[in-house]
Amino acid sequence: LQLQESGPGLVKPSETLSLTCTVLGGSINSPDNHWAWLRQSPGKGLEWIGSISDSGSTYRNPAITRRVTIAVDTSKNQVSLKLKSVTAADTGRYYCARRRQLLEYYFDDWGQGSLVTVSS
Amino acid sequence: DIVMTQSPDSLTLSLGERATINCKSSQSLLYSSNNKSYLAWYQQKPGQPPKLLIYWASSRDSGVPDRFSGAGSGTDFTLTISSLQAEDVAVYFCHQYSATPDTFGQGTKLQIK
Repeated sequence: LQLQESGPGLVKPSETLSLTCTVLGGSINSPDNHWAWLRQSPGKGLEWIGSISDSGSTYRNPAITRRVTIAVDTSKNQVSLKLKSVTAADTGRYYCARRRQLLEYYFDDWGQGSLVTVSS
Repeated sequence: DIVMTQSPDSLTLSLGERATINCKSSQSLLYSSNNKSYLAWYQQKPGQPPKLLIYWASSRDSGVPDRFSGAGSGTDFTLTISSLQAEDVAVYFCHQYSATPDTFGQGTKLQIK
């Protein structure tokens, strides 16, 4: 299984960050596959953003839930992340990861990550 | 949120030495229903994503060398590298997945002397 994140590397403050994770070598809607977005920054370390199941059920980190949308596009084998009203604090590397349960499980596959800078 | 605290923040050892990294959680990660601690360890090398080493506190992931071992239960956990190799230079993170949101330790940077 390979995960490939893609999206713009630079986003202006107050705008919406949009990233896509393409799943290669596996089916996005297999019952054993659940998807997560995480991010890493020097200031906050590793942070779980949210998770989505093969059926589209989502859980988001309460700290940023109102700004986050996670969705699955089964026709493209992709998971997407939208984070609105970004600030400099949202700068970091964003990872897509897989785990075998929606919650209460470890992440066993990670993408290489997509570096996002929020700046005008 | 469950707070994960690792110690030390950094560690410098010689090749062949034993490395021990600690992780303490602010709440128990042990589920009495299945006697499992919901704790994982990851290794992150420069420019790479985290790589799963250990899950359920002590189960080694496929392909992980047996010099890596995890121990602990409840709130106190350790990752041990029995004999340090040059390729073990990395940052190591613990991760609790017992409660939402998932949270991670701040990381321990392991270097060779």
